[in-house]
Amino acid sequence: DTAVSQTPKYLVTQMGNDKSIKCEQNLGHDTMYWYKQDSKKFLKIMFSYNNKELIINETVPNRFSPKSPDKAHLNLHINSLELGDSAVYFCASSQGKGANTEAFFGQGTRLTVV
Amino acid sequence: AQSVTQLDSQVPVFEEAPVELRCNYSSSVSVYLFWYVQYPNQGLQLLLKYLSGSTLVKGINGFEAEFNKSQTSFHLRKPSVHISDTAEYFCAVLVRSGNTGKLIFGQGTTLQVKP
Repeated sequence: DTAVSQTPKYLVTQMGNDKSIKCEQNLGHDTMYWYKQDSKKFLKIMFSYNNKELIINETVPNRFSPKSPDKAHLNLHINSLELGDSAVYFCASSQGKGANTEAFFGQGTRLTVV
Repeated sequence: AQSVTQLDSQVPVFEEAPVELRCNYSSSVSVYLFWYVQYPNQGLQLLLKYLSGSTLVKGINGFEAEFNKSQTSFHLRKPSVHISDTAEYFCAVLVRSGNTGKLIFGQGTTLQVKP
């Protein structure tokens, strides 16, 4: 059983398109995250949700919109994709509100915008 | 602002040799520290964590790390590496704001184990 699963694993799309990445966790955690890993492998948080409520929103373009239908799911929708959006996007989850424990990561979604 | 610095971008080492991957953090408050490993084309896997208690932390795959508050360091060590340890290693600090938190990662260190 995969603890944090993301789909798709690879996504190739053209500039200007809209795409979504889905994430599900079966760990019973209350908090879920999206992290972005750029071409230099640098990891940075984008969003955090706790029980479907947005609690962390870093400086991310409005084209990125997270949605959490329930606490086990956190999806990422990206509008009007740009070349600079090419990266690996990681979903993660942790217990509580994420203040005192580790995060568990999914396998990542490699997004390539052409 | 809290930050993490991994002092080496690449560490080449021969198989069965010891290795140390260095990590320094900046924080004015109590810290929770982590090492994650990323194998090629895979997600991040937790190697070990320091939340409190003993400053010497043992993790999976024979890795250990020592929390040194005075030197603000959390270096990762393994006494004898294997080819399979070749991967990207990330040090991270948990930044807390009230009862929420987020991970701040270092730049990563590529460990290349040679036969």
